[in-house]
Amino acid sequence: QKEVEQDPGPLSVPEGAIVSLNCTYSNSAFQYFMWYRQYSRKGPELLMYTYSSGNKEDGRFTAQVDKSSKYISLFIRDSQPSDSATYLCAMSHGSSNTGKLIFGQGTTLQVKP
Amino acid sequence: SAVISQKPSRDICQRGTSLTIQCQVDSQVTMMFWYRQQPGQSLTLIATANQGSEATYESGFVIDKFPISRPNLTFSTLTVSNMSPEDSSIYLCSVAIEYNSPLHFGNGTRLTVT
Repeated sequence: QKEVEQDPGPLSVPEGAIVSLNCTYSNSAFQYFMWYRQYSRKGPELLMYTYSSGNKEDGRFTAQVDKSSKYISLFIRDSQPSDSATYLCAMSHGSSNTGKLIFGQGTTLQVKP
Repeated sequence: SAVISQKPSRDICQRGTSLTIQCQVDSQVTMMFWYRQQPGQSLTLIATANQGSEATYESGFVIDKFPISRPNLTFSTLTVSNMSPEDSSIYLCSVAIEYNSPLHFGNGTRLTVT
């Protein structure tokens, strides 16, 4: 079993829809949780960065962490065609493992005009 | 966030040869890392590039195959040695500006080994 599970999709939605992307994980030691967006032929771009449980909002993006369920989510409101990309969740243990991120496989999202 | 430049952006290499990938950051950063992204796979950490000392490798990666240098706080190189087709992948440089700050990534080097 992988440490981080993420449905690879692809996920196709109409423009304006609310998108929900999810990851589950098995290691309760994870403390830091991230979402990256990766466009084709580009490197991952940091979208959201959260510590421990709770919600964090940034514009149309909301990240949720539920450590009790070992489940994290990224919500995209009013999705746009420019949001079409692969979304990667990532997590780490903390300061002693800075840099060692465990990534999900990535979910490919397509937003249709 | 830092601007990360990788060279080359892509290359096609023959089996048995070596390729050195450069990573240049526009500002001093605390930590630099090298990741690999194989087709259809998640990103995997190869090693932490330590300034002025030997890199710290993750399980499954060895210095003879992936020698790494980091002569200062803005530059690092990764060499893929004695390449085989299984080394065909995207190699990504990433940096953390400070300890416990999130990682930022370059655009990667797309390597094809024939």
